[in-house]
Amino acid sequence: DTGVSQDPRHKITKRGQNVTFRCDPISEHNRLYWYRQTLGQGPEFLTYFQNEAQLEKSRLLSDRFSAERPKGSFSTLEIQRTEQGDSAMYLCASSPTSGGANEQFFGPGTRLTVL
Amino acid sequence: KQEVTQIPAALSVPEGENLVLNCSFTDSAIYNLQWFRQDPGKGLTSLLLIQSSQREQTSGRLNASLDKSSGRSTLYIAASQPGDSATYLCAPDTGTASKLTFGTGTRLQVTL
Repeated sequence: DTGVSQDPRHKITKRGQNVTFRCDPISEHNRLYWYRQTLGQGPEFLTYFQNEAQLEKSRLLSDRFSAERPKGSFSTLEIQRTEQGDSAMYLCASSPTSGGANEQFFGPGTRLTVL
Repeated sequence: KQEVTQIPAALSVPEGENLVLNCSFTDSAIYNLQWFRQDPGKGLTSLLLIQSSQREQTSGRLNASLDKSSGRSTLYIAASQPGDSATYLCAPDTGTASKLTFGTGTRLQVTL
């Protein structure tokens, strides 16, 4: 399978715990994005990497959230001291850096439930 | 700030009908626009990407058009099938990051 993969697919945690999600992009893709989607809404942009550099972060990404892409390949998204409002689907996408088209391909998502 | 509106919010049609999904966006300074489908509880599947220099893109029974100056895109689905039942999302990309801005989607149900 050469698509975007995410792990875990589901995570249930108690309020106050830390969680970490992993995203493996399509291998030749330089750009990696994180989005968050709540029930009945479209995904919302969280952050973006070009290779290992984190170039943009949304105001939605509070200081409890941190994302890394240490070697320009896979990325992790950590949420510290989770709150019930963090419950959502966390989606990762990747795209190649090429002139013109910047088609983003999404992974299956990680569904987080905070009890 | 880019805002995206999709009309209708929900649509139920009998199998075989042709249908049009509408998308409007407020900031016309976009690079591309993508259409996605999302099945319940799943990730997004890219259907079509239209570059800002294009007016139309086709893939099988799907045809998407883009009128960048008026901030509109439409997705045309020909000869709908029950397997087309899903939520359809449009997303223009803006800025140097080419981040996507999504609407709330159109939930389509195709009945037998």
